[in-house]
Amino acid sequence: DIQMTQSPSSLSASVGDRITITCRASQVIGNYVAWFQQRPGKAPKSLIFATSSLQSGVPSRFSGSASGTDFTLTISTLQPEDFATYYCQQYNNFPPTFGGGTKVEI
Amino acid sequence: QVQLQESGPGLVRPFETLSLSCSVSGGSITNYYWNWIRQAPGKGLEWVGYIYYSGSAKYNPSLGGRFTISVDTSRNQFNLRLTSVTAADTAVYYCARGGYCDTTTCYSPITFDAWGQGALVTVSA
Repeated sequence: DIQMTQSPSSLSASVGDRITITCRASQVIGNYVAWFQQRPGKAPKSLIFATSSLQSGVPSRFSGSASGTDFTLTISTLQPEDFATYYCQQYNNFPPTFGGGTKVEI
Repeated sequence: QVQLQESGPGLVRPFETLSLSCSVSGGSITNYYWNWIRQAPGKGLEWVGYIYYSGSAKYNPSLGGRFTISVDTSRNQFNLRLTSVTAADTAVYYCARGGYCDTTTCYSPITFDAWGQGALVTVSA
């Protein structure tokens, strides 16, 4: 299985900050990476697919990029509702696999 | 806007069979792939498997062969069955929509654009 190594596992930030979360894939996976947001006690919500394409309705402060096998989620100006756990996911190979998550805390 | 809703027992005894359903509303189950994903308490996400509306299914080989996913297009729902459960199967089980197929293209079955709220299943005697 492809391993998605996500970092950091947690980070502390403030409203208005710019934050970056990274996932490193254990092998080449093209641009087949998605990002999800999960608030406590809630289902994951799809934010980004194909590395950098925003799902409908997702604010433009969210963006995704890649460099080789490193994939990045950036939140440009952190809002109160953005404090949550974020997961990356690869869907180039079966089975699809997720990163371990990054908890964004105040 | 499509909505998904899981249903099933919250408590299952060890070595028994877990059965969950996912009802799809606001859209047809036709032409789409439908997935099950689980999350053990305090842990990350683990893909279980998917089914196409026509009935073809694929499972995570890392989880062994205890899972079966079925679809009922007449009820616009799909189901998950897990046999011989153990405490390690305690998790929130999510259903999620994957890609779709049109006349010329099939989009990835393992992208998850819509999720149910999740069903907590506890395995305990």
